[in-house]
Amino acid sequence: QKEVEQNSGPLSVPEGAIASLNCTYSDRGSQSFFWYRQYSGKSPELIMSIYSNGDKEDGRFTAQLNKASQYVSLLIRDSQPSDSATYLCAVKKVSGGYQKVTFGTGTKLQVIP
Amino acid sequence: GAGVSQSPRYKVAKRGQDVALRCDPISGHVSLFWYQQALGQGPEFLTYFQNEAQLDKSGLPSDRFFAERPEGSVSTLKIQRTQQEDSAVYLCASSPVTGSYEQYFGPGTRLTVT
Repeated sequence: QKEVEQNSGPLSVPEGAIASLNCTYSDRGSQSFFWYRQYSGKSPELIMSIYSNGDKEDGRFTAQLNKASQYVSLLIRDSQPSDSATYLCAVKKVSGGYQKVTFGTGTKLQVIP
Repeated sequence: GAGVSQSPRYKVAKRGQDVALRCDPISGHVSLFWYQQALGQGPEFLTYFQNEAQLDKSGLPSDRFFAERPEGSVSTLKIQRTQQEDSAVYLCASSPVTGSYEQYFGPGTRLTVT
């Protein structure tokens, strides 16, 4: 079992729709959860971070975390063609200042105009 | 302020050559990470520094890979006797050791071994 799992996609949604991206993780000791957006040929860009159960909203983006189910998701409302990218889920565990970060393989999102 | 910078952005090496990739983290970021990203994959962890101390090098794929951060700021990833399978994008990220621990990535170095 991979430590962080994502569906590779592509996930295709029409412009204006809600895109839902999902991620599961195996280490119950994980403490911090991040979503990165990566355009083709570019480096990952941090778009959301979440640390406690529940929802966190930032503009059109909502991150959801359920530690009991070891599940984190990203919702993108009013999807735009410019949202077309690969979305990487990252999970971090910190112990005594030591950081272990694991990335999923990413979900490719295509927003169709 | 300035973000994470990496150089060179592109590197073509002939098989067997040695290469050195540089990372300049965000000022004040204590932690520095190196990742390898193959096409269509997520970043794979290589190694992690806190200041000048290399706390984890478990992701380095072979003893041909070596990383250092002698003064706790700039880091260099060195690959000796490059092989074709080393072709990838090498990403550097830095983060603080307090608060959010959010990582910020540099633009990456695309290494092509011919």
